[in-house]
Amino acid sequence: GENVEQHPSTLSVQEGDSAVIKCTYSDSASNYFPWYKQELGKGPQLIIDIRSNVGEKKDQRIAVTLNKTAKHFSLHITETQPEDSAVYFCAATGGTSYGKLTFGQGTILTVHP
Amino acid sequence: NAGVTQTPKFQVLKTGQSMTLQCAQDMNHNSMYWYRQDPGMGLRLIYYSASEGTTDKGEVPNGYNVSRLNKREFSLRLESAAPSQTSVYFCASSEVANLEQYFGPGTRLTVT
Repeated sequence: GENVEQHPSTLSVQEGDSAVIKCTYSDSASNYFPWYKQELGKGPQLIIDIRSNVGEKKDQRIAVTLNKTAKHFSLHITETQPEDSAVYFCAATGGTSYGKLTFGQGTILTVHP
Repeated sequence: NAGVTQTPKFQVLKTGQSMTLQCAQDMNHNSMYWYRQDPGMGLRLIYYSASEGTTDKGEVPNGYNVSRLNKREFSLRLESAAPSQTSVYFCASSEVANLEQYFGPGTRLTVT
């Protein structure tokens, strides 16, 4: 099955700085890569996703890049704000695990004012 | 729209007791999922239902059963709870498999 590794486990930045979270996956047939944000006491919320037919996708301050050859994808948050503080999860699915999301271990992002 | 709702929000069980976690969605989605979340391990898929009338095992199905009651509802049953099942349980739904999943608020379960 799919295996997703996520780094770093914690990330601390100053307000206005950029934050980057990286994930690697094992199944070359995976074709859908979502990113979720989870605030304390709440369920994960989709913030951006990318499919394997594109290399990059942007939505305001958030961008995701995908390198299929290296089997890794990254989340980039620019101009961070205190409200970006949360736990972020990457995930992958497709191929033999079609429809079954495999999640990374999560990154605790703290943005200091 | 309420999205995905889960009941109860909190539950404490003794070892060996049984219970059912309820999940409902009002988005007319075909696919529904049950995950558990443990510290440092992300979310792990327990069971999923690609469409009404079908269910399939995920990564950690042992000790659980599911029922896709209708298109809206997907329940998770613990027949004989064990301390290892102490976790936060999330239900999710998507229009079809391999599309974005929407999560409920979770059920925090403690088994003593």
